[in-house]
Amino acid sequence: NAGVTQTPKFRILKIGQSMTLQCTQDMNHNYMYWYRQDPGMGLKLIYYSVGAGITDKGEVPNGYNVSRSTTEDFPLRLELAAPSQTSVYFCASRRGQNNYGYTFGSGTRLTVV
Amino acid sequence: GQQLNQSPQSMFIQEGEDVSMNCTSSSIFNTWLWYKQEPGEGPVLLIALYKAGELTSNGRLTAQFGITRKDSFLNISASIPSDVGIYFCAGLAGNQFYFGTGTSLTVIP
Repeated sequence: NAGVTQTPKFRILKIGQSMTLQCTQDMNHNYMYWYRQDPGMGLKLIYYSVGAGITDKGEVPNGYNVSRSTTEDFPLRLELAAPSQTSVYFCASRRGQNNYGYTFGSGTRLTVV
Repeated sequence: GQQLNQSPQSMFIQEGEDVSMNCTSSSIFNTWLWYKQEPGEGPVLLIALYKAGELTSNGRLTAQFGITRKDSFLNISASIPSDVGIYFCAGLAGNQFYFGTGTSLTVIP
């Protein structure tokens, strides 16, 4: 199993550009999450999904969108990138409500200039 | 959102020393997790705690779920250089985990 795979690993965007961060998992996990990690800060939840076709906002959803058309994929879309979105983004998954351990991807480092 | 405070923020220790760190909140959590993150990687789960008062070990790591359910502690015994990284606590509320700000550990050989 590959676990949780994120692409790209690094990206530089200009202000106002858009991009999609890809996340896929091959563990048949129902729950998937997107977090951002800023220097010296903990992980902040952007969006999450408890199954295909279902998404919910986390703590910091503004400026982002997600979709969950399949169990495996949970892409994060940035429209009109802003410098405040410079961060490291982590995707995570877990099997279900009674399985608490997250599996994290290795992250996408995004810089908006 | 929920606020989890980790201390200390950073630690520099000699190889072989024991390490203690903690995580506190004003909110009650039903599950506590401890993760380790190495540079350029995502966090990796170390220990999960499900009951107040629970004490769980994973090799040289021991974690406790505080009796008040508002705190948790992680101890590392006889530290080694590969223990270097950032350690995060996380508490479960509803469907979401809330993460602490991390404790950065440096082990000096």
